[in-house]
Amino acid sequence: EAGVVQSPRYKIIEKKQPVAFWCNPISGHNTLYWYLQNLGQGPELLIRYENEEAVDDSQLPKDRFSAERLKGVDSTLKIQPAELGDSAVYLCASSFLGGFGYTFGSGTRLTVV
Amino acid sequence: GQQVMQIPQYQHVQEGEDFTTYCNSSTTLSNIQWYKQRPGGHPVFLIQLVKSGEVKKQKRLTFQFGEAKKNSSLHITATQTTDVGTYFCAGEASDGWGKLQFGAGTQVVVTP
Repeated sequence: EAGVVQSPRYKIIEKKQPVAFWCNPISGHNTLYWYLQNLGQGPELLIRYENEEAVDDSQLPKDRFSAERLKGVDSTLKIQPAELGDSAVYLCASSFLGGFGYTFGSGTRLTVV
Repeated sequence: GQQVMQIPQYQHVQEGEDFTTYCNSSTTLSNIQWYKQRPGGHPVFLIQLVKSGEVKKQKRLTFQFGEAKKNSSLHITATQTTDVGTYFCAGEASDGWGKLQFGAGTQVVVTP
């Protein structure tokens, strides 16, 4: 079965520009997560979806970050405008509700210059 | 809020030696998960522990969940170069509503 698919793999943008990341979770996984990972750190949750509903977005900087999960499948994470401090790896993961473990995608490495 | 701490931050191991990495939570956990991230890769799920005092083995890896469900350990025997990577523990608090809190990881370097 295909894993969690993310695109793009790498993105370099200038500060103040918008950027969007896309995620396609494993088929049948109703829970989807967006994590941010800085170098040398563990993943930090940005937002968690159960089906179409964002059930935990308490760590999402809502002044510049937004996310959506269309029809409870694919998801998009957007940053507008990007800041230098947003440079990081953005990871998408999915799981069955109540299931064992998360399956992570390969991530999008964002560099803001 | 909930905090998950891992020690050591770095572990240099001679090939063939054993080592242990530890994970401690500030709150009681409903379960704890372990992930491995290879250099340049993404976290890959290894195992989940749910019961107090639970011990699970995967070949040369032994995972343990503390009696109080606030700590865990990963012990690797006869380390191989394929064990290189960062090992993360991630805990779900008992009242965490499914939220998984990751530690900062233990980066393992293996010397041949």
